[in-house]
Amino acid sequence: EIVLTQSPGTLSLSPGDTATVSCWASQSFPSNFLSWYQQKSGQAPRLLIYGTSKRAAGIPDRFSGSGLGADFTLTISRLEPEDSAVYYCQQYDGSVLTFGGGTKVEIK
Amino acid sequence: QVRLQESGPGLVKPSETLSLTCIVSGDSVRSDYFWGWVRQPPGQGLQWIGSAYHGGNTYYSPSLKTRVSLSLDASENTFSLQMTSVTAADTAVYYCGRHADSGPSRISYWGQGILVTVS
Repeated sequence: EIVLTQSPGTLSLSPGDTATVSCWASQSFPSNFLSWYQQKSGQAPRLLIYGTSKRAAGIPDRFSGSGLGADFTLTISRLEPEDSAVYYCQQYDGSVLTFGGGTKVEIK
Repeated sequence: QVRLQESGPGLVKPSETLSLTCIVSGDSVRSDYFWGWVRQPPGQGLQWIGSAYHGGNTYYSPSLKTRVSLSLDASENTFSLQMTSVTAADTAVYYCGRHADSGPSRISYWGQGILVTVS
């Protein structure tokens, strides 16, 4: 089972800043199986990014993903107050899905 | 528009079986997608439970597979989760979801979640 580790645990940034969330895997896997989700307080998760860098329907281009192998990044540019949420990476290795522990993004 | 709604008891006694159903609208559980369950203990992160396909393929989390069973009911257009021998550690919000394609990779659609307390 691939373990995903996210860093940092919490980010506290101002509107207009750029948030960078890292996700490291315990072993490499195909980049088309790395996704990112946003979860606002009291809500279900929402798919943001899939295939490492493809935005899901309706996701603004302020959200971008990159990475390869075992090292992936979610970047949120021009932060807005509505971006306050917990962000999770998730991988699929052919039979098992795992999620990272989450990164909380706070907007000051 | 695909919509999913979890239903089931909000309170289960220790050692008993947790049973949840996901009611699907806007799609068919016989369509070419996997259907899955994810849970989230209070204040914690997301944990995948398992995912099933109408063709019979089912995948389970290794840590839960001895206690979990998933099934699809095409006549009711629902899919279900059964988890046996529950303990307080199974207290969580349980989400059902539809994966994005014919493999259980990303989850595109999520239910609103249902809190199940084991006590």
